[in-house]
Amino acid sequence: GAVVSQHPSRVICKSGTSVKIECRSLDFQATTMFWYRQFPKKSLMLMATSNEGSKATYEQGVEKDKFLINHASLTLSTLTVTSAHPEDSSFYICSARNPRGGNTGELFFGEGSRLTVL
Amino acid sequence: QKEVEQNSGPLSVPEGAIASLNCTYSDRGSQSFFWYRQYSGKSPELIMSIYSNGDKEDGRFTAQLNKASQYVSLLIRDSQPSDSATYLCAVTSRGSTLGRLYFGRGTQLTVWP
Repeated sequence: GAVVSQHPSRVICKSGTSVKIECRSLDFQATTMFWYRQFPKKSLMLMATSNEGSKATYEQGVEKDKFLINHASLTLSTLTVTSAHPEDSSFYICSARNPRGGNTGELFFGEGSRLTVL
Repeated sequence: QKEVEQNSGPLSVPEGAIASLNCTYSDRGSQSFFWYRQYSGKSPELIMSIYSNGDKEDGRFTAQLNKASQYVSLLIRDSQPSDSATYLCAVTSRGSTLGRLYFGRGTQLTVWP
């Protein structure tokens, strides 16, 4: 079964509203989670690294105030798309590394969240 | 800048054939290498991981790594229509956050019956 759960899997919202996406590690604690964005027929682009108990690290070009990341516990990270616009419509995917695997611990992906902004 | 290059395809092979997917990477510090399969509209699924030079086999899948050439490949034997998907090559990099992956753009594979 899934070891990283993402919710919601699909969301449609009106322009200007905010949307929260949750990413949970189900049977391990993840001090670090990663948030990716994927446009149709494109590869995954890392948006930010979510760090438990501290601020997220954003990739160049990603607006911190627009994509709010909170990693309040060892099993939950949230991504909030604030004041969403149609250009924010995309497939958002989180991932987490199982630390039990050591430095080569396997990385697990959530199921992804398809955001459509009208 | 850490780059991961894949032949974007699409790659089309008949059922039962061998599909060969290639990937090169720019960072010599890369230490871990992964192949993910992604079906349309779904998130990536880990197929193979490889960490040392040589071949690694798992069922119909064989990953090959050549660090000197900065090259990693994935062979799929006895290809099945269910193997039709986009295959993503991903690498880690020494000095980067543990678990941070650098992805290629993916190779779209179609296996026709």
